[in-house]
Amino acid sequence: RKEVEQDPGPFNVPEGATVAFNCTYSNSASQSFFWYRQDCRKEPKLLMSVYSSGNEDGRFTAQLNRASQYISLLIRDSKLSDSATYLCVVIGLGGNKLVFGAGTILRVKS
Amino acid sequence: NAGVTQTPKFQVLKTGQSMTLQCAQDMNHNSMYWYRQDPGMGLRLIYYSASEGTTDKGEVPNGYNVSRLNKREFSLRLESAAPSQTSVYFCASSETLVADTQYFGPGTRLTVL
Repeated sequence: RKEVEQDPGPFNVPEGATVAFNCTYSNSASQSFFWYRQDCRKEPKLLMSVYSSGNEDGRFTAQLNRASQYISLLIRDSKLSDSATYLCVVIGLGGNKLVFGAGTILRVKS
Repeated sequence: NAGVTQTPKFQVLKTGQSMTLQCAQDMNHNSMYWYRQDPGMGLRLIYYSASEGTTDKGEVPNGYNVSRLNKREFSLRLESAAPSQTSVYFCASSETLVADTQYFGPGTRLTVL
């Protein structure tokens, strides 16, 4: 089993739609969780950290479910500019490095 | 403030040639990393340096060597390039090893013929 698993998608949604991605992880002891965004042929950039209580940043909401070992990302009112690959990141088994998921592709269409 | 810089941006090598990818950060970060990204595989850690003077193997270290030249610079060397090393290489840095945001350079697109 991979340490971090994501549905690769693509998720094709119309502008204005709400879309959600899940990511499952193996390391039950992980204390750090992140969502990164990667545009085509560009470097990954931090979208948001994921806290135990969940957090919201504008149209983006991240949630952590420790019991089921998954994190989620909800995007409301999707914009064309949200089209990208979203990478889930957790602390790997061994506790000494971050592990990146392979990413979920989102395509927002007009 | 340039963040993380990488050189070169593109490179084509023949099998067996060697090269060094350069990375520098100006954020005074302690930890630095080298990843490779292949289609459908996500980012895979090659080597990392938790702090100046230390380096450790990541998930896919075979065929690579690294040098943490000082706190700012972390280079990746391919001694004898192979077609399987065709990939996009990203350097990243962070304040600490796991708890903090990693900042990435723009990447090096390497093709080995």
